[in-house]
Amino acid sequence: DAGVIQSPRHEVTEMGQEVTLRCKPISGHDYLFWYRQTMMRGLELLIYFNNNVPIDDSGMPEDRFSAKMPNASFSTLKIQPSEPRDSAVYFCASRKAGAHSGQFFGPGTRLTVL
Amino acid sequence: GDSVTQMEGPVTLSEEAFLTINCTYTATGYPSLFWYVQYPGEGLQLLLKATKADDKGSNKGFEATYRKETTSFHLEKGSVQVSDSAVYFCALVHQGAQKLVFGQGTRLTINP
Repeated sequence: DAGVIQSPRHEVTEMGQEVTLRCKPISGHDYLFWYRQTMMRGLELLIYFNNNVPIDDSGMPEDRFSAKMPNASFSTLKIQPSEPRDSAVYFCASRKAGAHSGQFFGPGTRLTVL
Repeated sequence: GDSVTQMEGPVTLSEEAFLTINCTYTATGYPSLFWYVQYPGEGLQLLLKATKADDKGSNKGFEATYRKETTSFHLEKGSVQVSDSAVYFCALVHQGAQKLVFGQGTRLTINP
């Protein structure tokens, strides 16, 4: 199993630019999660999907952030326009439905907004 | 609301020392409990889990026992290695829920 795949691994952009982060979950997993990790705030859940449908986006910081999951094997997190305070590591995770299964995380995308 | 509290780091030990990282939780009912490990520059990896009281999760020499009476899930290893240097996260999730509640993480450094 390839695990959760994220791209790009590193992204450097300038303030105001659009940024798109990509995620391929583990095949057969029903849930997909987007997290943000910073030193100041730790791990924050931004949004999660079940069977490609967004279930809870209460963690999305503001309207500049949007996420989609057009099919079971692909999701995007978009920031438009980006700001320096968006600099963080963004993780995608997936899990299979079941009472006690854990989440499996991708390697993350380190975003730097100048 | 639910919460997870871990011992503050950083924790620095010598190789072959005994490791304990404390984790306590506040939650209703019987959540599932997890330990995740994050190596430098990588994502979180599931290290071990326990799903009911008195369960012991174990992996790679690490162990943790689900203690309902003390609401704890302390991580232990008998003899640590330099390669165990990482950040360790304790987490919980309720049955039927999806959101993992994480502790703040404990940075562990093992010196040769």
